[in-house]
Amino acid sequence: DTGVSQDPRHKITKRGQNVTFRCDPISEHNRLYWYRQTLGQGPEFLTYFQNEAQLEKSRLLSDRFSAERPKGSFSTLEIQRTEQGDSAMYLCASSLVAGGVDTQYFGPGTRLTVL
Amino acid sequence: EDQVTQSPEALRLQEGESSSLNCSYTVSGLRGLFWYRQDPGKGPEFLFTLYSAGEEKEKERLKATLTKKESFLHITAPKPEDSATYLCAVQARADKLIFGTGTRLQVFP
Repeated sequence: DTGVSQDPRHKITKRGQNVTFRCDPISEHNRLYWYRQTLGQGPEFLTYFQNEAQLEKSRLLSDRFSAERPKGSFSTLEIQRTEQGDSAMYLCASSLVAGGVDTQYFGPGTRLTVL
Repeated sequence: EDQVTQSPEALRLQEGESSSLNCSYTVSGLRGLFWYRQDPGKGPEFLFTLYSAGEEKEKERLKATLTKKESFLHITAPKPEDSATYLCAVQARADKLIFGTGTRLQVFP
């Protein structure tokens, strides 16, 4: 399967702990996006990269959140000092921008539960 | 502010009963409108991209259309396996997608 992969698929943590998620995009895709989705809502944008460069961060992304994409390949999203409100599905998507077309393909998500 | 509204929130259909889902949007400078299907506990699965008013795309029992203010996803003779949440999203001047809250479709035999 050559789609977007995310690890872990599920994470349960205690409030105050740090967590890190990984996303592997579709090979040769130059853009990588992070979204967050809560129950009954559509995904909400968090941040995105074009190659190694982080181009935009949402106001939703507090100082406790940090994302990296070293070498323009996989990406990690870290949440420090987790809070119960961080419980959500964290989705990664990748795209290959060509001729203005930017179709984003999503991974299976990482379900975070903060106790 | 860019906004996407989907209706209805939930739809129950009998197998074979055709219907339409609505996605209305207000954006500055639409670059593309996207439809995704999402099964419980999984990531969204890409279905269609529409770029300009009047455009239509089809895939099996699904047909997506676009006007200047809204998009429709028509489902013809649905089957139980079409049951899912259907998400609409727009891409405007920024590269991020702005999603609606989705329509939960249930098709029963």
